[in-house]
Order: sequence, then C-alpha cells, then structure tokens
Amino acid sequence: KQEVTQIPAALSVPEGENLVLNCSFTDSAIYNLQWFRQDPGKGLTSLLLIQSSQREQTSGRLNASLDKSSGRSTLYIAASQPGDSATYLCAVWNSWGKLQFGAGTQVVVTP
Amino acid sequence: NAGVMQNPRHLVRRRGQEARLRCSPMKGHSHVYWYRQLPEEGLKFMVYLQKENIIDESGMPKERFSAEFPKEGPSILRIQQVVRGDSAAYFCASSPRTRLTNTGELFFGEGSRLTVL
Repeated sequence: KQEVTQIPAALSVPEGENLVLNCSFTDSAIYNLQWFRQDPGKGLTSLLLIQSSQREQTSGRLNASLDKSSGRSTLYIAASQPGDSATYLCAVWNSWGKLQFGAGTQVVVTP
Repeated sequence: NAGVMQNPRHLVRRRGQEARLRCSPMKGHSHVYWYRQLPEEGLKFMVYLQKENIIDESGMPKERFSAEFPKEGPSILRIQQVVRGDSAAYFCASSPRTRLTNTGELFFGEGSRLTVL
C-alpha cells in the first residue's frame, strides 16, 4: 500500500532563504508526482508535475526533483518571499487520476 | 478559460438532510475527480468519473454517498442523511488527458466546505 510522507510538517524561514521540502513514497511504481500549494481556506494550485520518466521540473523559482528508485521528491523554492507562505502538498499518481497526498508542509516566510 | 468551478463554496446542513455539491470542469475536460479533506487530515480520493461513467469509486463510502457526471451539466456529489463526520472540504478536479497517455495534470477547484450541525 502506497504511503506518502512529507517532512518537515512545518517550516519557518526568513525572507530570502531557500526552501527545501521533502516528499517520500513507499511504492516506486508511480505514474507521476505532482506538487501543489494550498492557501488557508482555498483550493489547490498545481505547481509542478513530474512524469515518471523525468528526473526534474523547473518553473521560475521552483525546482522539483524525482528519484523513483529511492522513493523521493524534493521541492526547492529559491529566494523565498512572504507570499510563498502556504501549505505545500506532494501527491503521487498510483493510477490514473487517483492521487495519494502527503499531509503537507506548512511554510511560513517571515519578512 | 475559466478554472474548475465548484458550488456552493459553503454549505450548512443539519443532520439527516441531503447535501448536493456541484462541479463544472475546465472547458474541454471530460474527466472529473472528487477528493475530500477532513479537518487536520490530508486529501483523500473519492471517485473518478467520465461523462456518464463512473471509472473508479474505490474511495467512496459504501452508503449515503453517490456521484454522477451526466452528459449535460456539472458533476454532482450527493450525500444523503448527512452526519457530523461528513463535515469536510470537498474538492473537485479535472484533467485534460485520457488514459492513453500517462501525462495529465489535475486542476482543482476552490472546494465546497460542508458543515453539518
């Protein structure tokens, strides 16, 4: 049974520091891995989708890596800003459309 | 291109009443997924639908919950005889891809927050 774990559960950094968010999964037979951002009381915003054949994806200040063999993905956010404060969710695709989510990492970036 | 639209955004029901949550996927998307986020818990898959078909309902509670995605109109998640434990945020997502490819980013709506008194 797939389990998705995100560490740390919460993270507070001063503005300008780089953020490193970790996601691990127990079953390497995944289709894709997707990172989301969720603001309080809001929906999910897709940040990056990494297909199973890829090792990383980049979008602006965001970079996500995927190592299927070790069951890990890391989301890097460069030069953090207060607007980056949110909960970041990692989700693996076990089968089509059936995402399994981690519990999330709550990030606070202080000015 | 409007995003995934869910309504109502907030719904209050008394125990025993029915809750109907609606989801209109993004334009051109024919695949809809429902997820539930309980307080202090992560999102859990409930059901995957295509137009007029339920593809995977392995995450749906066996009783009181049903979902449909008719040929015309939005997808509906229906909860009959609600109980306090049904209080949660219900998210709908849609995808532009088919099972023929293994790509297909999910786009989520803002969610419908159900409170059962």
